[in-house]
Amino acid sequence: NAGVTQTPKFQVLKTGQSMTLQCAQDMNHEYMSWYRQDPGMGLRLIHYSVGAGITDQGEVPNGYNVSRSTTEDFPLRLLSAAPSQTSVYFCASSPRGQGYGYTFGSGTRLTVV
Amino acid sequence: GQQVMQIPQYQHVQEGEDFTTYCNSSTTLSNIQWYKQRPGGHPVFLIQLVKSGEVKKQKRLTFQFGEAKKNSSLHITATQTTDVGTYFCAGTTSGTYKYIFGTGTRLKVLA
Repeated sequence: NAGVTQTPKFQVLKTGQSMTLQCAQDMNHEYMSWYRQDPGMGLRLIHYSVGAGITDQGEVPNGYNVSRSTTEDFPLRLLSAAPSQTSVYFCASSPRGQGYGYTFGSGTRLTVV
Repeated sequence: GQQVMQIPQYQHVQEGEDFTTYCNSSTTLSNIQWYKQRPGGHPVFLIQLVKSGEVKKQKRLTFQFGEAKKNSSLHITATQTTDVGTYFCAGTTSGTYKYIFGTGTRLKVLA
């Protein structure tokens, strides 16, 4: 099993550009989430999904869109990149049920110049 | 909205000393999870606590969930250099699967 796969691993964008961060999991997990991690800020929840076709906002959703058309994929779209979106982005998935934690991808390091 | 704070932010210990990090939520939690992130890596799930007053152990790690389900702690006995990393708690409130992470405690172990 590959687990949670995030692409790309590194990306540099210019202010105003748009892009999609890809996230795919092959564990048939129902729950998926996107977090961003900034120095000293911990992990902040951007958007999450409890199943295909269902998404909801997290703590810091502005400037990001998500969709969940399949169980496996949960892409994160940056609509118009800003320097404040420079961060490390983690995608994570979890099965439904008690006792299961999130499996995280290896992250995408995004720099907006 | 829901906020989860952790203290301390940083902790340096000599190898063999004990270490404790505390997690406090502004709201009552349905359950709490703990993760470890090594430098340059991604968070790795350690454990989940669900019941009020619950205590769980994993070798040298002891996890507690407060009676009011608003706080939790992670205690490491006799730290080793392999314990280096940042420890996060993450909590969710009843009826959601929206996990809010704490600010994390970065542990350095001096050999």
